[in-house]
Amino acid sequence: QKEVEQNSGPLSVPEGAIASLNCTYSDRGSQSFFWYRQYSGKSPELIMSIYSNGDKEDGRFTAQLNKASQYVSLLIRDSQPSDSATYLCAVKGNNDMRFGAGTRLTVKP
Amino acid sequence: EAGVAQSPRYKIIEKRQSVAFWCNPISGHATLYWYQQILGQGPKLLIQFQNNGVVDDSQLPKDRFSAERLKGVDSTLKIQPAKLEDSAVYLCASSRTGTSYTGELFFGEGSRLTVL
Repeated sequence: QKEVEQNSGPLSVPEGAIASLNCTYSDRGSQSFFWYRQYSGKSPELIMSIYSNGDKEDGRFTAQLNKASQYVSLLIRDSQPSDSATYLCAVKGNNDMRFGAGTRLTVKP
Repeated sequence: EAGVAQSPRYKIIEKRQSVAFWCNPISGHATLYWYQQILGQGPKLLIQFQNNGVVDDSQLPKDRFSAERLKGVDSTLKIQPAKLEDSAVYLCASSRTGTSYTGELFFGEGSRLTVL
């Protein structure tokens, strides 16, 4: 069974702080890794993708990948109340795309 | 470009009744996915189509769920008979294939099913 594990949270950070979200996966053959944001009652939307080991930065978001440790993380710098949402880690194997349970983030003003 | 279209947005049925959900992917997207998202959980892949062929349906409860994608465009997901535990949001997503494939899934707004 291919598993994608995330801390369910909730994770609460003050406005302006760094939020750190973590994800581990079981399938060593996984090729691509994604972070989706899902607001309450809405569908997931892609915020970051990462394909190779190391860091990838996009504005206030940084994704980190360590394939040897089967670990993916997302850092959100200067967190804003509008970042309050559930963050889903998604992992793509040969064909399928599997999601973790999500981490609920609350950014307090 | 138009997004992924799903209908109906909401459906309330009693257990043992049947229900069908429809999805029309983004034009040109060959891959179509149906996910089930139970409240508080992540999306669970039910079935994945590439054009009109099934790529993965290992988590589809085949005794009650069925899906088809005739002509490789729109798709229908059916539940018959429904159980209480089928209450969830059914998300349809599509993605590109080939050299333009980035792995990104584009989701519809979802169909929320309540089974009483």
